[in-house]
Amino acid sequence: NAGVMQNPRHLVRRRGQEARLRCSPMKGHSHVYWYRQLPEEGLKFMVYLQKENIIDESGMPKERFSAEFPKEGPSILRIQQVVRGDSAAYFCASSPRDSRRSPLHFGNGTRLTVT
Amino acid sequence: DAKTTQPNSMESNEEEPVHLPCNHSTISGTDYIHWYRQLPSQGPEYVIHGLTSNVNNRMASLAIAEDRKSSTLILHRATLRDAAVYYCILLSGAGSYQLTFGKGTKLSVIP
Repeated sequence: NAGVMQNPRHLVRRRGQEARLRCSPMKGHSHVYWYRQLPEEGLKFMVYLQKENIIDESGMPKERFSAEFPKEGPSILRIQQVVRGDSAAYFCASSPRDSRRSPLHFGNGTRLTVT
Repeated sequence: DAKTTQPNSMESNEEEPVHLPCNHSTISGTDYIHWYRQLPSQGPEYVIHGLTSNVNNRMASLAIAEDRKSSTLILHRATLRDAAVYYCILLSGAGSYQLTFGKGTKLSVIP
């Protein structure tokens, strides 16, 4: 039973480029969450999606960041015009029900480096 | 949001039990106590959760104080693979979906 798959594992982008991070949830999971971990800091919630719908995006920066979870295919976290401060580890998690009723299963993250 | 307090770090000898404490004096009646851990260079991993009664699973046990203002995660026999940062998190059964990760307790296991 494959776990949550994130790719790429490492991503290097120059300032101003776009970063696209992909997350394939566990089979049967329709709830997806994105968290960000800045260097030497704890994980911070970004966004919660359920197939084709954004449920809670209160942790997303207002500009340059967007997320989607289409009916078919992986969830995508998109960062436009990246800046050095976007360098972080981005973790995706999935669950069969919302996080209040079911533990989250995390992937091993995408480490974004902006040069 | 109700907050948790954990020691920054703890050490344990391999194959000995480990008791990781967590204080949550402002816990509300609908808050579940969740524990996750994060091994180096990996994503967080769910360990256990509970509401009022003590809980056991294949990974650990969770002992919850009668007044629910504190809890203890118990690893019965620490292995080197248990070296990780352990996070105690409160999650309301009726509120936000967000897990709030603090700094956690960094557990070192000595061979």
